[in-house]
Amino acid sequence: DSGVTQTPKHLITATGQRVTLRCSPRSGDLSVYWYQQSLDQGLQFLIQYYNGEERAKGNILERFSAQQFPDLHSELNLSSLELGDSALYFCASSVGPGAGTEAFFGQGTRLTVV
Amino acid sequence: ILNVEQSPQSLHVQEGDSTNFTCSFPSSNFYALHWYRWETAKSPEALFVMTLNGDEKKKGRISATLNTKEGYSYLYIKGSQPEDSATYLCAFIYNSGGYQKVTFGTGTKLQVIP
Repeated sequence: DSGVTQTPKHLITATGQRVTLRCSPRSGDLSVYWYQQSLDQGLQFLIQYYNGEERAKGNILERFSAQQFPDLHSELNLSSLELGDSALYFCASSVGPGAGTEAFFGQGTRLTVV
Repeated sequence: ILNVEQSPQSLHVQEGDSTNFTCSFPSSNFYALHWYRWETAKSPEALFVMTLNGDEKKKGRISATLNTKEGYSYLYIKGSQPEDSATYLCAFIYNSGGYQKVTFGTGTKLQVIP
């Protein structure tokens, strides 16, 4: 158990809908990262927050947004969902703002868009 | 999009054999390189965080080296065991526009045959 909690574990929704994925980082970790793993692709970095502020942005679509709350949990919002958004979404956390420290991954949320 | 290559894509070795694989990345704007071990149906688990040219890190039978000037890192497994079977991912962290961004390699899938 990495100490990173993601909910829900599975989510099935229809095209055009909006969903929210939630991540609670390890106790003491201030950075949260979101990743997407599609069937035909490896891990893609989406976005990073550190202590409530956006720190880095990867290949995140405009239909997607995220935020980190004062209690440090983070939410990833996916809207106008398309079939191609079906993927495993991972959250990871680390202590510091930069990537020079080890990141711990949650178990992921499997999103299926039908 | 930066290119991070891992080779070989997959590898079958006999129990007890030693093996190694490569992560190649651009040699500019380097910030850090992470190695992860990813077992099927689990989440990635950090093995090493490497930040300095010439870094060598070791954890049990697994070790890694880093050459930032030529843009590669090697991961070595000594005396492979069936429980080492997993996909080994490297993540290249680089500086871009004042932020750090992450690009993952596609992984090396290792199968250790008892």
